[in-house]
Amino acid sequence: DIQMTQSPSTLSASIGDRVTITCRASQNINSWLAWYQQEPGKAPKLLIYKASSLESGVPSRFSGSGSGTEFTLTISSLQPDDFATYYCQQYNNYCTFGQGTKLEIK
Amino acid sequence: EVQLVESGGGLVQPGGSLRLSCSASGFTFSNYAMHWVRQAPGKGLEFVSAITSSGGSSNYGDSVKGRFIISRDNSKNTLFLQMSSLRPEDTAVYYCVKGGIEDRRMVMDYWGQGTLVTVSS
Repeated sequence: DIQMTQSPSTLSASIGDRVTITCRASQNINSWLAWYQQEPGKAPKLLIYKASSLESGVPSRFSGSGSGTEFTLTISSLQPDDFATYYCQQYNNYCTFGQGTKLEIK
Repeated sequence: EVQLVESGGGLVQPGGSLRLSCSASGFTFSNYAMHWVRQAPGKGLEFVSAITSSGGSSNYGDSVKGRFIISRDNSKNTLFLQMSSLRPEDTAVYYCVKGGIEDRRMVMDYWGQGTLVTVSS
């Protein structure tokens, strides 16, 4: 099974900051990686697929990069709605989610 | 507008069974893979099961393999999850999720609001 490890588990940042979340796969998953945002009490929302493709309607301050085993999600300038939990998901071999990164207000 | 509405959750005793349903609208249901993903209270997301657009193939997460069965009725735009031999660790919100098309089958682009399953005596 492919394991996905996100870092950090918690991230404190301020409005306007640039932040990066990392996701590492236990084996090569090519570019078959997605990122999701989950606000408290809500269902997750797709942000990025195929490592770097922005889902329709998602603000351009979100970007993804990477291939193989190491991936990043970057938010270029944090907005109030961005404080949430973020999950990566590999879909190279079935499906596995990372454990999540909680983005908190500093 | 894509809508996914889950039903069937509730309280069940350990060892019991439950059937979840998901009514889909706003897209051509029979063209898309569908998934169930769960989230235990205060925990992360866990893949439960996926089914192809035709219903001809499915797969399961290791923790539910042999106990849960996914199915769909394309004539009624409905997805199902039959859960048996339930354990306390199956307690979670269960989300019905729409997949994408072709190489996006396992990309989860629309999520329902979830239904809570509680396994407890």
